[in-house]
Amino acid sequence: DVKVTQSSRYLVKRTGEKVFLECVQDMDHENMFWYRQDPGLGLRLIYFSYDVKMKEKGDIPEGYSVSREKKERFSLILESASTNQTSMYLCASSLYGQPQHFGDGTRLSIL
Amino acid sequence: GNSVTQMEGPVTLSEEAFLTINCTYTATGYPSLFWYVQYPGEGLQLLLKATKADDKGSNKGFEATYRKETTSFHLEKGSVQVSDSAVYFCALSDLYSGYALNFGKGTSLLVTP
Repeated sequence: DVKVTQSSRYLVKRTGEKVFLECVQDMDHENMFWYRQDPGLGLRLIYFSYDVKMKEKGDIPEGYSVSREKKERFSLILESASTNQTSMYLCASSLYGQPQHFGDGTRLSIL
Repeated sequence: GNSVTQMEGPVTLSEEAFLTINCTYTATGYPSLFWYVQYPGEGLQLLLKATKADDKGSNKGFEATYRKETTSFHLEKGSVQVSDSAVYFCALSDLYSGYALNFGKGTSLLVTP
């Protein structure tokens, strides 16, 4: 079974902090994705990557960046956290053109 | 651009009732269609998928048929159980979006005994 592991289930940070959310997959998938989930808005794509060191902006990239130095790891970075970035963050991975597998999510609170 | 519209919830049903959750889509290409399910406190799990017109996806008693003429992918189950209580997301992906998923807003289902 594919395993997508997000480093934290719950995280509390302060405004202005630089925040790192980590995601690791164990199935050699080329594609990795970061989404945020908010009530009434569903899931929205922040960034995705289809190869090491490659990245593409999604629908809501503002205030975020990503890093993919190794194939199995995809990091989401909040450059200067703000309260409107309080959300559930979901990481996913897939082979090209195949269904995505999701981690359990990180519930991030920015105070 | 691509978009997915699904019926608003919450939906409350009694055990053994029939379930339909409507989903329609807009896409410029030839998308694949998915239903994902999210149980409380968990991430999303793939429930079923269909990759071309008239395909029927099925899993755990749930079914959905890819209808190109009506741009729909409605989720159905003949007899729901309490354990089906969850949030259901309709989604699509295609080559032009790099196979990223476009999600509907989700439909919360509560099944009561």
